[in-house]
Amino acid sequence: GNSVTQMEGPVTLSEEAFLTINCTYTATGYPSLFWYVQYPGEGLQLLLKATKADDKGSNKGFEATYRKETTSFHLEKGSVQVSDSAVYFCALSESQQGAQKLVFGQGTRLTINP
Amino acid sequence: KAGVTQTPRYLIKTRGQQVTLSCSPISGHRSVSWYQQTPGQGLQFLFEYFSETQRNKGNFPGRFSGRQFSNSRSEMNVSTLELGDSALYLCASSQIPGQGHYEQYFGPGTRLTVT
Repeated sequence: GNSVTQMEGPVTLSEEAFLTINCTYTATGYPSLFWYVQYPGEGLQLLLKATKADDKGSNKGFEATYRKETTSFHLEKGSVQVSDSAVYFCALSESQQGAQKLVFGQGTRLTINP
Repeated sequence: KAGVTQTPRYLIKTRGQQVTLSCSPISGHRSVSWYQQTPGQGLQFLFEYFSETQRNKGNFPGRFSGRQFSNSRSEMNVSTLELGDSALYLCASSQIPGQGHYEQYFGPGTRLTVT
């Protein structure tokens, strides 16, 4: 079946550092790819998405490019802030008989120190 | 627009009991999906409903069930609770596109603790 693999966490960075969280996927067909973020005590918030190869999703300074040749969707941000501390989930959409579901990676906990 | 709402936010139950969780989707969204989040298994898909019909189900025992009402609100039920059912249960809603893929918007979750 389809699967998503994220880099192991936790990740700790200093404020204004460059962030990369690696995500690779295994899928049949051409799924859409997503990054979700979860702040403590909250549900998941959609951060960005890409629906086809070479698409770049971006939001709040975060970016990720859908790379079909390397089956990757790495999350990047040029200068992180303390408020970016959260758990980040990479996900793909899987379609089955007209219904779609999300398949998630295991999540990467990010802590930004001032 | 109001976001996805879930009630209750926190719940404590005893082994063997049953529980019902409720989810109200974003206005205009007709698909509702449920996910279970645990530290060990991560985020796992439970089921998806559209137009009061279950279209997709994850790999969970029959103790887990759900339904959707005509106003798109959904409930999930877990019978004969086990300690391992302790988790954050997340509901997500989405519009149904004409084609292609769609975004799911999540509620804050219901934290279920089974003792």
